[in-house]
Amino acid sequence: QQPVQSPQAVILREGEDAVINCSSSKALYSVHWYRQKHGEAPVFLMILLKGGEQKGHDKISASFNEKKQQSSLYLTASQLSYSGTYFCGTEGLSGTYKYIFGTGTRLKVLA
Amino acid sequence: DAGITQSPRHKVTETGTPVTLRCHQTENHRYMYWYRQDPGHGLRLIHYSYGVKDTDKGEVSDGYSVSRSKTEDFLLTLESATSSQTSVYFCAITGTSGRAGYNEQFFGPGTRLTVL
Repeated sequence: QQPVQSPQAVILREGEDAVINCSSSKALYSVHWYRQKHGEAPVFLMILLKGGEQKGHDKISASFNEKKQQSSLYLTASQLSYSGTYFCGTEGLSGTYKYIFGTGTRLKVLA
Repeated sequence: DAGITQSPRHKVTETGTPVTLRCHQTENHRYMYWYRQDPGHGLRLIHYSYGVKDTDKGEVSDGYSVSRSKTEDFLLTLESATSSQTSVYFCAITGTSGRAGYNEQFFGPGTRLTVL
């Protein structure tokens, strides 16, 4: 079953902050976050591992609550280039490199 | 650039015909994946491979088969295409980022398939 992302869509002004949530019904080993521009392939942003380790983007942060099986992506001081669709990709506890993606959150940043 | 190509990039076919999509990588990565992307559903895993001749089903594997006879190639076959298989198909690999040693997925450019 796909993780559920919220909100489904959000519109921001440049400089505003946003939070995107990803909730899984299964226990997780890792969560990945990706951004996809229209007509392009998804691009990796960051990974959060069981145990709290976080690696990836310098200007975007995220959290991973293992107990709640949830992750949140924090976009602060948004820029026009942040526009796109954001996906979380989840990996189960067995760590099999099998990733299930959420339904996506469309984010648009206006000048 | 993770060296992933997909072919064809666009294809229009008719219901009932067989279709094969090819994913080719130049990085010698072990794990390869096929996803389909549809509005409202995000990316859904069809099949993935964890080595030559080693594959496993994803969430939406019905109507699809895969083969991996070489490390660099992962083929997705629609034995008898249906209109519900009209979609954008992405191939991906899992590789290790050279910067910090963590795994990330790299996606190919996608194949837009239309089944009439």
